[in-house]
Amino acid sequence: AQSVTQLGSHVSVSEGALVLLRCNYSSSVPPYLFWYVQYPNQGLQLLLKYTSAATLVKGINGFEAEFKKSETSFHLTKPSAHMSDAAEYFCASKDSGYSTLTFGKGTMLLVSP
Amino acid sequence: DAGVIQSPRHEVTEMGQEVTLRCKPISGHDYLFWYRQTMMRGLELLIYFNNNVPIDDSGMPEDRFSAKMPNASFSTLKIQPSEPRDSAVYFCASSNVGEGELFFGEGSRLTVL
Repeated sequence: AQSVTQLGSHVSVSEGALVLLRCNYSSSVPPYLFWYVQYPNQGLQLLLKYTSAATLVKGINGFEAEFKKSETSFHLTKPSAHMSDAAEYFCASKDSGYSTLTFGKGTMLLVSP
Repeated sequence: DAGVIQSPRHEVTEMGQEVTLRCKPISGHDYLFWYRQTMMRGLELLIYFNNNVPIDDSGMPEDRFSAKMPNASFSTLKIQPSEPRDSAVYFCASSNVGEGELFFGEGSRLTVL
């Protein structure tokens, strides 16, 4: 069965600092990979997705993620955190033969002034 | 373009009452998913449909939960009778076949007293 592991349930950064949220997947076949963001009292919104076209994927709001097959990782980064980035972030994977996404448990990003 | 629409956004009810949550997926999407989100258990897939047909309901917690999709533009999730442990945010999401990114609604926050 697929699994997605997000390291750290909470990550704290200062405004302007680098954001790094970690995600590792387990799959025998390179999957489709996604990062979603959830702001308080809202649904999940797609930040970016990897579909094998390019290993470095750029998303909305200045976020990007790099697919590393050798490390089975898909970490999310942003060079400079903004207060508005405070939210919960979910990594998810999908194998090509499946209809459903497997979600990680989420990482809450806290941004301090 | 309208996104996934869920109603009600908030529902407060008493134990034993019937609860019906509603979802209108994005037009043209052929998959519909119901998720439940709680602090303790995170995001849980309850059931999903393909072309209005239930494909996997193994995540439905018990017989008190039922879901229907009578047509391509409407789905319901019903809890009867409701219990306090059903308190959660219920999300509906839809997608197309293929890369399978999910589009989420804003959620229905259920409180059972």
